[in-house]
Amino acid sequence: QKEVEQNSGPLSVPEGAIASLNCTYSDRGSQSFFWYRQYSGKSPELIMFIYSNGDKEDGRFTAQLNKASQYVSLLIRDSQPSDSATYLCAVTTASGTYKYIFGTGTRLKVLA
Amino acid sequence: DTAVSQTPKYLVTQMGNDKSIKCEQNLGHDTMYWYKQDSKKFLKIMFSYNNKELIINETVPNRFSPKSPDKAHLNLHINSLELGDSAVYFCASSFGGRSSYEQYFGPGTRLTVT
Repeated sequence: QKEVEQNSGPLSVPEGAIASLNCTYSDRGSQSFFWYRQYSGKSPELIMFIYSNGDKEDGRFTAQLNKASQYVSLLIRDSQPSDSATYLCAVTTASGTYKYIFGTGTRLKVLA
Repeated sequence: DTAVSQTPKYLVTQMGNDKSIKCEQNLGHDTMYWYKQDSKKFLKIMFSYNNKELIINETVPNRFSPKSPDKAHLNLHINSLELGDSAVYFCASSFGGRSSYEQYFGPGTRLTVT
């Protein structure tokens, strides 16, 4: 079983819709959770991080964490074509403070 | 000012050669990382240094040798390059000591081995 799993996509949504990106992780003791956006040919860019169960909102982005279900998601409201990118979920392990495990990413396409 | 910088941006070389990639950060972070991103876009950690001390070495062939002369720099030297080493290599940095600190990535170095 992969440590951090994401659906590779592509996930296609129309402009203005809500895009929902999901991530599951296997280490129950994982502590911190991050969402990165990566445009083609560019480096990963941090969008949000979340540590506690529940929702965290930042502009059009909402991260949701459910540690009991080992599940973290990212909602993008009012999706724009400029949101089209690969979204990477990253988790820090419980065993150490310096290791971040990335998922394989979900490719999002927002259709104009 | 660029927060995390890498040189070179592109590197094309032949099998068997030795090459180095340099990374510098001006964020005041104490932890730096090297990641490899393959053609399927999977981002995998290779090494992590905290205050110049090697913390993580993820079963990387010993042809890869990282060196951290100080907290702001982390270089990667690769000996006897192989075709399978072709990938994009990203440097990143963060504050260490707590798992909650976010990482910031450099622009990447695209290595092509022919």
